[in-house]
Amino acid sequence: TQLLEQSPQFLSIQEGENLTVYCNSSSVFSSLQWYRQEPGEGPVLLVTVVTGGEVKKLKRLTFQFGDARKDSSLHITAAQPGDTGLYLCAGARGNEKLTFGTGTRLTIIP
Amino acid sequence: NAGVTQTPKFQVLKTGQSMTLQCAQDMNHNSMYWYRQDPGMGLRLIYYSASEGTTDKGEVPNGYNVSRLNKREFSLRLESAAPSQTSVYFCASSEWRVGAFFGQGTRLTVV
Repeated sequence: TQLLEQSPQFLSIQEGENLTVYCNSSSVFSSLQWYRQEPGEGPVLLVTVVTGGEVKKLKRLTFQFGDARKDSSLHITAAQPGDTGLYLCAGARGNEKLTFGTGTRLTIIP
Repeated sequence: NAGVTQTPKFQVLKTGQSMTLQCAQDMNHNSMYWYRQDPGMGLRLIYYSASEGTTDKGEVPNGYNVSRLNKREFSLRLESAAPSQTSVYFCASSEWRVGAFFGQGTRLTVV
């Protein structure tokens, strides 16, 4: 059973456009993270959110944790080719194991 | 500050051979994981260890065994490799509300 569903699965946009990626679940998480993975590398942690409604910004990336702590979104402003990669969300319930989402493969076209 | 270190980085096995993938972390994390990632796919959990001395099966444990040797080390063993186990293997460690840190991966090919 996949607890975290990401949408869209694939996204290809022009450089300079904005985009939003979603991570949804029917379960409540005590924390949720976003990762980016580039070809040939392991996933790299971008951000962790722990409070319902929390918003964190990392340069052009904005992360939001849903009020009910069941979902999250990642918004990228003015996308650049360097943003290309596989974006993964992951959630943890209490001290249980981390569960990863299905992934969004993002391609930014110069 | 090494983080998570995996060895080897590349390995080619013949069907039926065995091998152990090694993983060590220096961040004093309690939780450690082994994932596999097939081409173009996401991560699938093989085994998980919440703390030293405990291990739990993940989504795809068949054909694998693990050992949490101490808090730092978590090894993955393939007893009799099969072509279906050709994949990239990632080890990770995590702490509650912090997030996970991954090794660079082991690219395994079984012929």
